[in-house]
Amino acid sequence: QVQLQESGPGLVKPSQTLSLTCSVSGGSINNGTFYWSWIRQPAGKGLEWIGRIFASGSTNYNPSLKSRVTISLDTSKNQFSLNLRSVTAADTAVFYCARTNYYYYSGLHVWGQGTTVTVSS
Amino acid sequence: DIVLTQSPLSLPVTPGEPASISCRSSQSLLHSNGYYYLDWYLQRPGQSPQLLIYLGSKRASGVPDRFSGSGSGTDFTLEISRVEAEDVGIYYCMQGFQTLLTFGGGTRVEI
Repeated sequence: QVQLQESGPGLVKPSQTLSLTCSVSGGSINNGTFYWSWIRQPAGKGLEWIGRIFASGSTNYNPSLKSRVTISLDTSKNQFSLNLRSVTAADTAVFYCARTNYYYYSGLHVWGQGTTVTVSS
Repeated sequence: DIVLTQSPLSLPVTPGEPASISCRSSQSLLHSNGYYYLDWYLQRPGQSPQLLIYLGSKRASGVPDRFSGSGSGTDFTLEISRVEAEDVGIYYCMQGFQTLLTFGGGTRVEI
Protein backbone atom coordinates (compact mmCIF):
# COMPACT_ATOMS: atom_id res chain seq x y z
CA GLN A 1 0.00 0.00 0.00
CA VAL A 2 1.70 3.16 -1.19
CA GLN A 3 1.85 6.07 1.24
CA LEU A 4 2.83 9.69 0.70
CA GLN A 5 4.27 12.01 3.35
CA GLU A 6 4.88 15.71 2.92
CA SER A 7 7.63 17.50 4.83
CA GLY A 8 9.27 20.90 4.95
CA PRO A 9 9.47 24.17 6.88
CA GLY A 10 6.24 25.33 8.43
CA LEU A 11 7.22 28.98 8.20
CA VAL A 12 8.69 30.84 5.23
CA LYS A 13 9.49 34.54 4.98
CA PRO A 14 7.94 36.67 2.24
CA SER A 15 9.96 36.81 -1.00
CA GLN A 16 11.78 33.60 -0.13
CA THR A 17 11.40 30.12 -1.64
CA LEU A 18 9.02 27.54 -0.21
CA SER A 19 10.52 24.06 -0.50
CA LEU A 20 8.59 20.88 0.27
CA THR A 21 9.29 17.19 -0.19
CA CYS A 22 6.90 14.29 -0.67
CA SER A 23 8.35 10.95 0.42
CA VAL A 24 6.88 7.86 -1.22
CA SER A 25 6.78 4.53 0.61
CA GLY A 26 5.39 1.17 -0.48
CA GLY A 27 6.24 1.72 -4.13
CA SER A 28 8.84 3.15 -6.46
CA ILE A 29 8.49 6.69 -7.74
CA ASN A 30 10.43 5.60 -10.81
CA ASN A 31 8.16 2.84 -12.13
CA GLY A 32 6.78 5.00 -14.90
CA THR A 33 3.09 4.38 -14.35
CA PHE A 34 2.11 7.37 -12.22
CA TYR A 35 1.94 11.14 -12.20
CA TRP A 36 2.97 12.81 -8.93
CA SER A 37 1.10 16.01 -8.13
CA TRP A 38 1.12 18.92 -5.69
CA ILE A 39 -2.14 20.55 -4.57
CA ARG A 40 -2.66 23.34 -2.06
CA GLN A 41 -5.54 24.55 0.09
CA PRO A 42 -5.59 27.91 1.90
CA ALA A 43 -7.24 27.72 5.29
CA GLY A 44 -11.01 27.48 4.94
CA LYS A 45 -10.84 27.54 1.15
CA GLY A 46 -10.91 25.16 -1.76
CA LEU A 47 -8.31 23.07 -3.56
CA GLU A 48 -5.86 24.32 -6.19
CA TRP A 49 -3.75 22.02 -8.35
CA ILE A 50 -0.16 23.28 -8.56
CA GLY A 51 1.45 20.85 -10.97
CA ARG A 52 2.72 17.33 -11.57
CA ILE A 53 5.76 15.33 -12.63
CA PHE A 54 6.17 12.02 -14.41
CA ALA A 55 8.93 9.46 -13.87
CA SER A 56 10.71 10.75 -16.99
CA GLY A 57 10.97 14.15 -15.32
CA SER A 58 8.45 15.83 -17.60
CA THR A 59 6.29 18.37 -15.81
CA ASN A 60 3.01 20.25 -16.15
CA TYR A 61 2.20 23.34 -14.12
CA ASN A 62 -0.81 25.47 -13.34
CA PRO A 63 -0.35 28.53 -15.59
CA SER A 64 -1.25 30.81 -12.68
CA LEU A 65 1.85 29.60 -10.80
CA LYS A 66 4.11 28.44 -13.61
CA SER A 67 6.53 31.36 -13.41
CA ARG A 68 7.30 30.56 -9.74
CA VAL A 69 7.05 26.76 -9.52
CA THR A 70 9.47 23.91 -10.04
CA ILE A 71 8.63 20.26 -9.34
CA SER A 72 11.47 17.75 -9.40
CA LEU A 73 12.20 14.08 -8.70
CA ASP A 74 14.85 12.48 -6.53
CA THR A 75 14.66 8.82 -7.45
CA SER A 76 17.56 7.90 -5.15
CA LYS A 77 15.45 8.99 -2.17
CA ASN A 78 12.12 7.94 -3.70
CA GLN A 79 10.69 11.40 -3.29
CA PHE A 80 9.61 14.43 -5.28
CA SER A 81 9.80 18.08 -4.39
CA LEU A 82 8.07 21.42 -4.82
CA ASN A 83 9.83 24.78 -4.99
CA LEU A 84 7.65 27.90 -4.99
CA ARG A 85 9.64 31.10 -5.38
CA SER A 86 8.94 34.69 -4.29
CA VAL A 87 6.21 33.70 -1.86
CA THR A 88 3.71 36.10 -0.32
CA ALA A 89 1.10 35.73 2.39
CA ALA A 90 -1.30 34.55 -0.32
CA ASP A 91 0.77 31.37 -0.60
CA THR A 92 -0.04 30.36 2.98
CA ALA A 93 -1.82 27.01 2.72
CA VAL A 94 -1.89 23.32 3.45
CA PHE A 95 0.11 21.58 0.73
CA TYR A 96 -0.74 18.03 -0.35
CA CYS A 97 1.07 15.60 -2.60
CA ALA A 98 -0.96 13.04 -4.52
CA ARG A 99 -0.72 10.33 -7.15
CA THR A 100 -2.67 9.46 -10.26
CA ASN A 101 -2.23 6.84 -12.94
CA TYR A 102 -0.47 7.69 -16.16
CA TYR A 103 -1.85 5.04 -18.54
CA TYR A 104 -5.47 5.02 -17.43
CA TYR A 105 -7.29 7.75 -15.60
CA SER A 106 -8.06 6.96 -11.98
CA GLY A 107 -8.36 10.33 -10.29
CA LEU A 108 -6.06 11.43 -7.48
CA HIS A 109 -6.32 8.09 -5.71
CA VAL A 110 -3.57 8.49 -3.11
CA TRP A 111 -2.99 11.61 -1.02
CA GLY A 112 -0.53 12.59 1.67
CA GLN A 113 -1.78 13.94 4.99
CA GLY A 114 -0.73 17.48 4.10
CA THR A 115 1.68 19.97 5.58
CA THR A 116 0.88 23.53 6.62
CA VAL A 117 3.08 26.35 5.40
CA THR A 118 2.71 29.88 6.67
CA VAL A 119 4.32 32.81 4.86
CA SER A 120 5.12 35.50 7.39
CA SER A 121 8.00 37.66 8.50
CA ASP B 1 -9.67 26.73 -17.67
CA ILE B 2 -12.64 24.50 -16.95
CA VAL B 3 -14.81 25.96 -14.20
CA LEU B 4 -16.79 23.61 -11.97
CA THR B 5 -19.78 24.96 -10.05
CA GLN B 6 -21.17 22.94 -7.18
CA SER B 7 -24.55 23.21 -5.51
CA PRO B 8 -25.68 23.53 -2.87
CA LEU B 9 -22.90 25.20 -0.90
CA SER B 10 -24.20 23.63 2.29
CA LEU B 11 -26.36 20.56 2.73
CA PRO B 12 -27.95 19.59 6.04
CA VAL B 13 -28.61 15.86 6.08
CA THR B 14 -30.39 13.32 8.25
CA PRO B 15 -28.81 9.93 8.95
CA GLY B 16 -30.52 7.22 6.97
CA GLU B 17 -31.88 9.66 4.42
CA PRO B 18 -30.57 10.18 0.87
CA ALA B 19 -28.51 13.18 -0.20
CA SER B 20 -27.48 14.62 -3.54
CA ILE B 21 -24.82 17.10 -4.71
CA SER B 22 -24.58 18.68 -8.13
CA CYS B 23 -21.54 19.71 -10.14
CA ARG B 24 -21.81 21.66 -13.39
CA SER B 25 -18.88 22.08 -15.75
CA SER B 26 -18.20 25.04 -18.05
CA GLN B 27 -17.55 22.57 -20.88
CA SER B 28 -18.14 18.94 -21.72
CA LEU B 29 -15.98 16.43 -19.85
CA LEU B 30 -16.63 13.60 -22.32
CA HIS B 31 -13.36 12.06 -23.47
CA SER B 32 -12.97 10.38 -26.83
CA ASN B 33 -12.79 7.05 -24.95
CA GLY B 34 -16.41 7.47 -23.88
CA TYR B 35 -15.70 8.27 -20.24
CA TYR B 36 -16.46 11.46 -18.36
CA TYR B 37 -13.35 12.78 -16.63
CA LEU B 38 -15.10 13.89 -13.47
CA ASP B 39 -14.19 12.83 -9.93
CA TRP B 40 -15.72 13.26 -6.50
CA TYR B 41 -13.70 13.66 -3.29
CA LEU B 42 -14.65 13.82 0.38
CA GLN B 43 -12.58 15.84 2.81
CA ARG B 44 -13.49 14.93 6.35
CA PRO B 45 -12.70 17.50 9.07
CA GLY B 46 -8.97 17.73 9.65
CA GLN B 47 -8.15 15.17 6.94
CA SER B 48 -6.84 15.19 3.41
CA PRO B 49 -9.30 14.62 0.56
CA GLN B 50 -10.07 11.05 -0.41
CA LEU B 51 -11.24 9.82 -3.79
CA LEU B 52 -14.81 8.53 -3.87
CA ILE B 53 -15.75 8.41 -7.56
CA TYR B 54 -13.68 8.69 -10.74
CA LEU B 55 -14.62 8.71 -14.41
CA GLY B 56 -18.03 10.01 -13.43
CA SER B 57 -19.42 6.82 -11.94
CA LYS B 58 -16.66 4.40 -10.92
CA ARG B 59 -16.32 3.90 -7.19
CA ALA B 60 -12.78 4.00 -5.87
CA SER B 61 -11.40 1.03 -3.96
CA GLY B 62 -12.96 0.65 -0.52
CA VAL B 63 -15.72 3.21 -1.06
CA PRO B 64 -19.11 2.04 0.25
CA ASP B 65 -21.76 1.32 -2.34
CA ARG B 66 -24.09 3.92 -0.83
CA PHE B 67 -22.04 6.44 -2.86
CA SER B 68 -22.82 6.70 -6.55
CA GLY B 69 -21.93 9.10 -9.33
CA SER B 70 -23.83 9.89 -12.48
CA GLY B 71 -24.17 12.50 -15.16
CA SER B 72 -23.33 13.41 -18.70
CA GLY B 73 -22.02 16.28 -20.76
CA THR B 74 -21.63 19.09 -18.28
CA ASP B 75 -23.94 18.06 -15.42
CA PHE B 76 -22.96 15.55 -12.78
CA THR B 77 -24.41 14.29 -9.51
CA LEU B 78 -23.07 12.54 -6.44
CA GLU B 79 -25.71 10.64 -4.52
CA ILE B 80 -25.56 9.10 -1.08
CA SER B 81 -28.35 6.55 -0.75
CA ARG B 82 -28.42 6.55 3.06
CA VAL B 83 -26.29 9.09 4.87
CA GLU B 84 -24.19 7.94 7.77
CA ALA B 85 -22.54 10.07 10.45
CA GLU B 86 -19.08 9.45 8.95
CA ASP B 87 -20.17 11.09 5.68
CA VAL B 88 -19.95 14.62 7.08
CA GLY B 89 -17.34 16.85 5.52
CA ILE B 90 -16.76 18.84 2.36
CA TYR B 91 -17.35 17.20 -1.01
CA TYR B 92 -15.45 18.40 -4.05
CA CYS B 93 -15.82 17.57 -7.70
CA MET B 94 -12.72 17.71 -9.90
CA GLN B 95 -12.19 17.48 -13.64
CA GLY B 96 -9.34 15.52 -15.16
CA PHE B 97 -10.31 16.28 -18.75
CA GLN B 98 -7.60 18.89 -19.14
CA THR B 99 -4.03 18.74 -17.91
CA LEU B 100 -4.86 21.73 -15.70
CA LEU B 101 -6.89 19.95 -13.04
CA THR B 102 -9.59 22.12 -11.48
CA PHE B 103 -11.91 21.63 -8.52
CA GLY B 104 -15.38 22.79 -7.67
CA GLY B 105 -15.82 25.13 -4.73
CA GLY B 106 -17.06 22.38 -2.43
CA THR B 107 -20.30 21.37 -0.70
CA ARG B 108 -20.34 21.15 3.07
CA VAL B 109 -22.43 18.23 4.31
CA GLU B 110 -23.44 18.35 7.95
CA ILE B 111 -25.89 16.53 10.17
